[in-house]
Amino acid sequence: QITLKESGPTLMKPTQTLTLTCTFSGFSLNTSGVGVSWIRQPPGKALEWLALIFWDDDKLYSPSLKNRLSITKDTSKNQVVLTLTNTDPVDTGTYSCGHVICLPPPRGPMVFNLWGQGTMVTVSS
Amino acid sequence: QSVLTQPPSVSAAPGQKVTISCSGTTSNDENFSVSWFQRLPTTAPKLLIYDNNKRPSGIPDRFSGSKSGTSATLGITGLQTGDEADYYCGTWNSSLSALIFGGGTKLTVL
Repeated sequence: QITLKESGPTLMKPTQTLTLTCTFSGFSLNTSGVGVSWIRQPPGKALEWLALIFWDDDKLYSPSLKNRLSITKDTSKNQVVLTLTNTDPVDTGTYSCGHVICLPPPRGPMVFNLWGQGTMVTVSS
Repeated sequence: QSVLTQPPSVSAAPGQKVTISCSGTTSNDENFSVSWFQRLPTTAPKLLIYDNNKRPSGIPDRFSGSKSGTSATLGITGLQTGDEADYYCGTWNSSLSALIFGGGTKLTVL
């Protein structure tokens, strides 16, 4: 059974760096064709994709946020960390991580399979 | 530029059928495939459909997906009050290397 849980600060001040951790179980980021992705949802607004890291450490970022985002993995801890620099009140929202699988592996079309419930982050002075 | 357009809201009575459209404009890749996600308040987004019309295990066949040209449709039959949620279409844009979401559609079961 795959589970993902996000953790991190609930309140940030503008310009601070946001660091979020996704702790997962039920799969390994050492497995070919597997990845972990992050999305966010500002209150009352649509989903926005942020970043993706693959089993082979390939990383992809939202074009509009790539200069502020970084994604890393620690396979020994089953964790993926997302950092967002220079935060602003518009970065307020619920941040969720998800399990991604390429069908067929290693790099077939991606299926964004299962998501965590998310963690709410508020950026305010 | 890659945009997916959804109606802001749809509604139908319990037991009825509803469809939600997702119209895509992409600068490349006419053969883009669409996924559909359900988000209930305060819950994790749930994958309902991937690759235009495939259901993950555990998703009931009340949910269906189709695609014709650059438009995709999510169908839900036998509506239940528990289906009230926001529904999002999404597609991987290979030229941007980014997942693009539609603006979301709020389903109300009257």
